[in-house]
Amino acid sequence: GESVGLHLPTLSVQEGDNSIINCAYSNSASDYFIWYKQESGKGPQFIIDIRSNMDKRQGQRVTVLLNKTVKHLSLQIAATQPGDSAVYFCAERGGYGNKLVFGAGTILRVKS
Amino acid sequence: DSGVTQTPKHLITATGQRVTLRCSPRSGDLSVYWYQQSLDQGLQFLIQYYNGEERAKGNILERFSAQQFPDLHSELNLSSLELGDSALYFCASSVASPQGVVPHDGYTFGSGTRLTVV
Repeated sequence: GESVGLHLPTLSVQEGDNSIINCAYSNSASDYFIWYKQESGKGPQFIIDIRSNMDKRQGQRVTVLLNKTVKHLSLQIAATQPGDSAVYFCAERGGYGNKLVFGAGTILRVKS
Repeated sequence: DSGVTQTPKHLITATGQRVTLRCSPRSGDLSVYWYQQSLDQGLQFLIQYYNGEERAKGNILERFSAQQFPDLHSELNLSSLELGDSALYFCASSVASPQGVVPHDGYTFGSGTRLTVV
């Protein structure tokens, strides 16, 4: 069935370094992808999205890369800050109804 | 404030009981999605409504049901509760119709309802 998975459950980085969070998806028909950040006790917060007709999209300090050939998605965070510490989820949209399918999540820990 | 309102924020109830979780979508959004997040799992899609009609179903138990009302708010009903139903329940909304284009800011989530079954 549909599934989105993450390679690394926990990522620890030094403050100021760049972070890369990876995600593999299995539904080649998915046409839209979103990265969310979730802090403890809060709902997922939209970070950046990308459509399947693109391979790169940049936001403020974040970049999403999409490689449809290998069905891989990544989130790059530049100059990681302590406030970036959270769980990051990738999600894909596929199938009728536009529902999102989420990966398991990656914990990002930023060391000061 | 995301614009998606969920109530209550916390709920503690006993096994076998029934509860109702409520979600008010962001103004203008016609689609509502319900997700369950257990401690050791990611967000699991439960069900989607669009403009009052059920559009998609995920791994939703038969003990669970939902509906969307004419004013577009939605309720998720959980009955015959079990310990394993303890989780965070999130609601998200979006403008898009099933055939439409999702807007740039994607799907907006509420703060969730934390359900504890004891």
